Amino acid sequence: GAGVSQSPRYKVAKRGQDVALRCDPISGHVSLFWYQQALGQGPEFLTYFQNEAQLDKSGLPSDRFFAERPEGSVSTLKIQRTQQEDSAVYLCASSSYSELINTEAFFGQGTRLTVV
Amino acid sequence: ILNVEQSPQSLHVQEGDSTNFTCSFPSSNFYALHWYRWETAKSPEALFVMTLNGDEKKKGRISATLNTKEGYSYLYIKGSQPEDSATYLCAFRGRTGGFKTIFGAGTRLFVKA
Repeated sequence: GAGVSQSPRYKVAKRGQDVALRCDPISGHVSLFWYQQALGQGPEFLTYFQNEAQLDKSGLPSDRFFAERPEGSVSTLKIQRTQQEDSAVYLCASSSYSELINTEAFFGQGTRLTVV
Repeated sequence: ILNVEQSPQSLHVQEGDSTNFTCSFPSSNFYALHWYRWETAKSPEALFVMTLNGDEKKKGRISATLNTKEGYSYLYIKGSQPEDSATYLCAFRGRTGGFKTIFGAGTRLFVKA
């Protein structure tokens, strides 16, 4: 596709429900990042993939959060037993290089998750 | 804990005004600083990647400077237009800390016609 695509755009989940958020990066992009953005704050790093390898998951807030990218392209962020504090916009970004130094990342439009 | 601060939080200007805002970051351990522009209902769009002290980058009416020794970057917009209305985010990456990029909370710019 032309850009990074995330689905769904909006998700309302009941507390305790499991959710899965999908990210389709730009074809051929090596790097993939997930971020969580709470209202009024900047995006916060969750995890980083280089191809299918999850090289950094230090930002995942709890063991209820799990991300995968099994074939090095599409990625899924799964949240188990959702809580109200999980309500946020979840952003995905991809980059064509393995090191995000001098290169820009391309972001999706995000998935807005509301836990009720 | 690494802190990236942006100021002001929001800014209201008239069309034609020039404006600037600040991103402050830890001066030690610097690796790269990114600026993004995020319009409502769209994806964040990369503006600049800055890596060297004294870097100055320009894209049309928007420019940015970087001072890694004192830990700040300025973003300037010359002759603001209503289409410049957006949130401007900076993101810091340190030499340590893995692949984590730390974002500021953004400066929300409103340009009135």
